Amino acid sequence: ETGVTQTPRHLVMGMTNKKSLKCEQHLGHNAMYWYKQSAKKPLELMFVYSLEERVENNSVPSRFSPECPNSSHLFLHLHTLQPEDSALYLCASSQVGSSNTGELFFGEGSRLTVL
Amino acid sequence: GDSVTQMEGPVTLSEEAFLTINCTYTATGYPSLFWYVQYPGEGLQLLLKATKADDKGSNKGFEATYRKETTSFHLEKGSVQVSDSAVYFCALSSSGGYNKLIFGAGTRLAVHP
Repeated sequence: ETGVTQTPRHLVMGMTNKKSLKCEQHLGHNAMYWYKQSAKKPLELMFVYSLEERVENNSVPSRFSPECPNSSHLFLHLHTLQPEDSALYLCASSQVGSSNTGELFFGEGSRLTVL
Repeated sequence: GDSVTQMEGPVTLSEEAFLTINCTYTATGYPSLFWYVQYPGEGLQLLLKATKADDKGSNKGFEATYRKETTSFHLEKGSVQVSDSAVYFCALSSSGGYNKLIFGAGTRLAVHP
């Protein structure tokens, strides 16, 4: 495996379900990010973990719960979602600190549909 | 706060036409600027970047120059191909200890044979 991998690629869930999105990065980075991509809206930064600590939480509803057990893995736990939460959820990673090149490296995304 | 504005799409071109996608930004300080591309069904890939004023980023025939005086980072390509059909995102790195990127809304490009 190389780069940033996300699973599942597609997920359909009801509003009362609980599910999780998983992200794994194989780049040796120390920061990971969740972005939400909705139709006709700019990408929205949801959460940032730097050195395994959450450093940003952009007023995201509590029905989204992130978890970063180590620098290579990031989860987004989902519960009691709403239909408007249907979107493409993108995970990204980067290196912060002295060897920071500035850019983010993205996975292919998890397409979530909430019925 | 920091923001990025891109020209609205879709942009429809014939193969071998010249491409320009406009991007302007508002930021405090001196951000790095990026163009990302998203092909259908995929995530975002870095296309090119520039880290300081007057820098030119280039990759795969695409170019963009960091213009501080006009706060712009327009994407250009001299001769587009059908395979360039995708959504293009302009972004800037906001201040902070991590790479907080702020994205424009994206511009869809469709190239026809």
